[in-house]
Amino acid sequence: ILNVEQSPQSLHVQEGDSTNFTCSFPSSNFYALHWYRWETAKSPEALFVMTLNGDEKKKGRISATLNTKEGYSYLYIKGSQPEDSATYLCAFISGTTDSWGKLQFGAGTQVVVTP
Amino acid sequence: DGGITQSPKYLFRKEGQNVTLSCEQNLNHDAMYWYRQDPGQGLRLIYYSQIVNDFQKGDIAEGYSVSREKKESFPLTVTSAQKNPTAFYLCASSSTSGGQETQYFGPGTRLLVL
Repeated sequence: ILNVEQSPQSLHVQEGDSTNFTCSFPSSNFYALHWYRWETAKSPEALFVMTLNGDEKKKGRISATLNTKEGYSYLYIKGSQPEDSATYLCAFISGTTDSWGKLQFGAGTQVVVTP
Repeated sequence: DGGITQSPKYLFRKEGQNVTLSCEQNLNHDAMYWYRQDPGQGLRLIYYSQIVNDFQKGDIAEGYSVSREKKESFPLTVTSAQKNPTAFYLCASSSTSGGQETQYFGPGTRLLVL
């Protein structure tokens, strides 16, 4: 089982402020990194699938960057809104044969945006 | 509407009892997955299936069994051998199992032990 760490575990943000948080993963045998948003009482929803070092992806006010050589990805939320409150999960997949198809999830960063 | 359904929403298990969690998808996806979530931990993979009539163990398969007789269905049985079954169970699917495809999740089943 590969180690995927997310930090911080939780954070509180004022409405309108921007924030970011980290996903760390093994820097060897990288294949892909996924980000999901999981709102309370809903199903996890895909945000991004990132595959190349230096990738930057954007969806509305949310963006993500990827550094596969040092093993981290940042997720940014610009101008946070209450509807951004959710747990954000990252999941790493290795390119080794025995890891084929297996996402390794971090424990998530819980974001609470207060008006 | 295309998506993944899981039932029931809550399930209670008595000591020594096997219980089955249902997962159905109408997305025409080949790959399906079962995850378990415990407090403070990431989702952990129990079993996955790349195609009909085929499945592989994930990281925590002990005490669980699955079948994949139809493309749209991937039921999970929690057997009496699973000593700590209380958890939240999520089913997911993706078009293929390569790892670069988005996974789509169901709403989950919470299993409680009586």
